Amino acid sequence: GENVEQHPSTLSVQEGDSAVIKCTYSDSASNYFPWYKQELGKRPQLIIDIRSNVGEKKDQRIAVTLNKTAKHFSLHITETQPEDSAVYFCASKAAGNKLTFGGGTRVLVKP
Amino acid sequence: EAGVVQSPRYKIIEKKQPVAFWCNPISGHNTLYWYLQNLGQGPELLIRYENEEAVDDSQLPKDRFSAERLKGVDSTLKIQPAELGDSAVYLCASSLAGDGFEQFFGPGTRLTVL
Repeated sequence: GENVEQHPSTLSVQEGDSAVIKCTYSDSASNYFPWYKQELGKRPQLIIDIRSNVGEKKDQRIAVTLNKTAKHFSLHITETQPEDSAVYFCASKAAGNKLTFGGGTRVLVKP
Repeated sequence: EAGVVQSPRYKIIEKKQPVAFWCNPISGHNTLYWYLQNLGQGPELLIRYENEEAVDDSQLPKDRFSAERLKGVDSTLKIQPAELGDSAVYLCASSLAGDGFEQFFGPGTRLTVL
């Protein structure tokens, strides 16, 4: 089945700097890659997603890039703010319409 | 629009006791998912429903876990009997169609088995 690796597991950045989280996937048939933000004790929130026919997608301060050849995708957060502090999960959808999640990245934005 | 609703939010039980979780998806969403999230890890799919039909339950431990979505709207996940290792957050999610895109999660039920 699909395997998703996510790095780094923790990321500490200074407010205003950029944060980048990287994920790799194993199934070349995967065609959908969402990113979720989960604050402590809260639900995972879908913040951005990308489909396999697109290389990059941007929404205000967040962007996602996809490299299908290398089977990796990344989340970029620019001008980080304290409210960006949370755990971020990447996921991929392969055959069977099943989402497989990465292990998560704990992001801490220091003011 | 109202999001995915789950209850209870927290549940503490003794091992070997039964427990049930309830989920009401976003209105109009035909596909419903139950996920298990262990501390510090990403969610793992337990079962997926298309309307009232369970179309993927390959990860559901059927010896003790069961689920139902009788009218194709709300759903119940049950564990009987619960074991210490079942302590986790049980998340429900829904999506408009069965293609797996744009899944929206509920707040989860945090289960503690003593």
